[in-house]
Amino acid sequence: ETGVTQTPRHLVMGMTNKKSLKCEQHLGHNAMYWYKQSAKKPLELMFVYSLEERVENNSVPSRFSPECPNSSHLFLHLHTLQPEDSALYLCASSQALFTDTQYFGPGTRLTVL
Amino acid sequence: DAKTTQPNSMESNEEEPVHLPCNHSTISGTDYIHWYRQLPSQGPEYVIHGLTSNVNNRMASLAIAEDRKSSTLILHRATLRDAAVYYCILRGMDSSYKLIFGSGTRLLVRP
Repeated sequence: ETGVTQTPRHLVMGMTNKKSLKCEQHLGHNAMYWYKQSAKKPLELMFVYSLEERVENNSVPSRFSPECPNSSHLFLHLHTLQPEDSALYLCASSQALFTDTQYFGPGTRLTVL
Repeated sequence: DAKTTQPNSMESNEEEPVHLPCNHSTISGTDYIHWYRQLPSQGPEYVIHGLTSNVNNRMASLAIAEDRKSSTLILHRATLRDAAVYYCILRGMDSSYKLIFGSGTRLLVRP
């Protein structure tokens, strides 16, 4: 238990669906991150938030839309995804943007049909 | 960003020490060496980090070569629970919040 929770743990959706992934951290951290881990590929950083402001959008397609309503919660809104978007989506948090350690949640396994 | 090179996989026997190598020949003077690991069906977890001197914590030890072009993560007594993918990551001290993951080393622990 790292103090970072993600829901749902598994999600299957069609290409025309709209769904959201939720991340919550109970650590009092100010920075939060979304990563994507595809099969047989390294983790890729998608988005970074610091004090609820987005500081990184790593060339991610617009069908992925992040939201950070407060420092404890991070969402990833999904719409019109493609099968190649199937992956493990990981949320992480850190005390501050340049703090040494990031704490990861268990991830949401997304399958797009 | 400076890159790291790790073996794809390693095997160990339970309760024996494990030495996981990492090469980073293009490391800069301000890059910290971080290690994370990812257990099956979990997100990555922090293991240890260092700059120049060897480091110890409850999980592992980090041995850093004098020229800093390589490092070794040492698990003193491997357990079955240590079976995971281990990532060696360089991170700039002053400006980078990014963890750039490579392919890592998959550690198999035999009972």
